[in-house]
Amino acid sequence: EAGVTQFPSHSVIEKGQTVTLRCDPISGHDNLYWYRRVMGKEIKFLLHFVKESKQDESGMPNNRFLAERTGGTYSTLKVQPAELEDSGVYFCASSQGYSRTQYFGPGTRLTVL
Amino acid sequence: KNEVEQSPQNLTAQEGEFITINCSYSVGISALHWLQQHPGGGIVSLFMLSSGKKKHGRLIATINIQEKHSSLHITASHPRDSAVYICAVPLGESYQLIWGAGTKLIIKP
Repeated sequence: EAGVTQFPSHSVIEKGQTVTLRCDPISGHDNLYWYRRVMGKEIKFLLHFVKESKQDESGMPNNRFLAERTGGTYSTLKVQPAELEDSGVYFCASSQGYSRTQYFGPGTRLTVL
Repeated sequence: KNEVEQSPQNLTAQEGEFITINCSYSVGISALHWLQQHPGGGIVSLFMLSSGKKKHGRLIATINIQEKHSSLHITASHPRDSAVYICAVPLGESYQLIWGAGTKLIIKP
């Protein structure tokens, strides 16, 4: 069974540009989470989808970040426009039903120059 | 002060040594997670526990709910155990995880 996959693995963009990160959860997992680790800080929660609905988006830093999960399958996280402080590693995870065991993707390393 | 504190931040040991990583938290929790992040960056969930002790191979995780403390032990450590070990707890009843800063473990041959 395929695990959680993320694309791209690494993205380098200039300040002001737009970047879209993608996460494909494990098939059948209704719950999808986005987290990020910026340099020198702890990993922080961004948001939680249940199917296509945003269950909890309290961790989204500002309105430059837009997450979608149309159809309840894969999710995208768009940053527009990107700022220097957005650089970091963005992780996606998924879980099944009411299980609290989350399966993590390899992460996307975002570098904003 | 973070709600989840780990110690030590960095740990270097010789192959074969017994390793202990500690995690203290200040919030009420239903369960605590231990995760491993390898140098390549990917995160793997090791344990989720709400009481007592769990064992998987050479890894043992314990938790004391009353003292709000958990430990991760590695027996007969090996260089391939070198990674960042992170504890995380859910925020209340939500699925949102609050993460510790991680412990960077290096095992030398």
